[in-house]
Amino acid sequence: QSVLTQPPSASGTPGQRVTISCSGSNSNIGSNYVYWYQHLPGTAPKLLIYRNNQRPSGVPGRFSGSKSGTSASLAISGLRSEDEADYYCAAWDDSLSDYFFGTGTKVTVL
Amino acid sequence: EVQLVESGGGLVQPGGSLRLSCAASGFTFSNSDMHWVRQATGKGLEWVSAIGTAGDTYYLGSGKGRFTISRENAKNSLFLQMNSLRADDTAVYYCVRAGGSWELQEWGQGTLVTVSS
Repeated sequence: QSVLTQPPSASGTPGQRVTISCSGSNSNIGSNYVYWYQHLPGTAPKLLIYRNNQRPSGVPGRFSGSKSGTSASLAISGLRSEDEADYYCAAWDDSLSDYFFGTGTKVTVL
Repeated sequence: EVQLVESGGGLVQPGGSLRLSCAASGFTFSNSDMHWVRQATGKGLEWVSAIGTAGDTYYLGSGKGRFTISRENAKNSLFLQMNSLRADDTAVYYCVRAGGSWELQEWGQGTLVTVSS
């Protein structure tokens, strides 16, 4: 149902770099900002990245965002056990006039 | 410290109505765009609605005509009136404060809405 597609899962060992992709179209990622959120079950989601690649204060530099055309990516470097969570991209869609979250990616730290 | 406390969730029959409230503190409520986001059990996050500082409103397609978002700045409160509820509206509903470019900055802990007979 979402217009933003993410891989369902990603994993890595502690210290590794993990990248999560978010694929959209010209009407969403291609023409609007992308955001990334981290969600641990049972807690409130947390903003990780805004305006494609900006980190709010308090978010570690291990998290970085990028955008190219109609796709975006979230990279987690120096993976830590506490990074095990669900990650969602998000963007406004001009054609549908709705704000969409991606399908979500579960990150597992092996 | 920013605090967003939702209330008003509960069990309602299909076709029924529910009004969610969100009490905000720790920031200038009238200067912030506010959103509702929900998550059904085992599903991903889904944006529901937003209201700007000027009272402009936005709704997810499935909620248009059934949901009404409103705010009362004098009481630092956000509301979501939900009518004609369906089973697929069952979810935890989060009250969210947004930044200037609609980054969803702070989230409440959520209130559970269950639509079932």
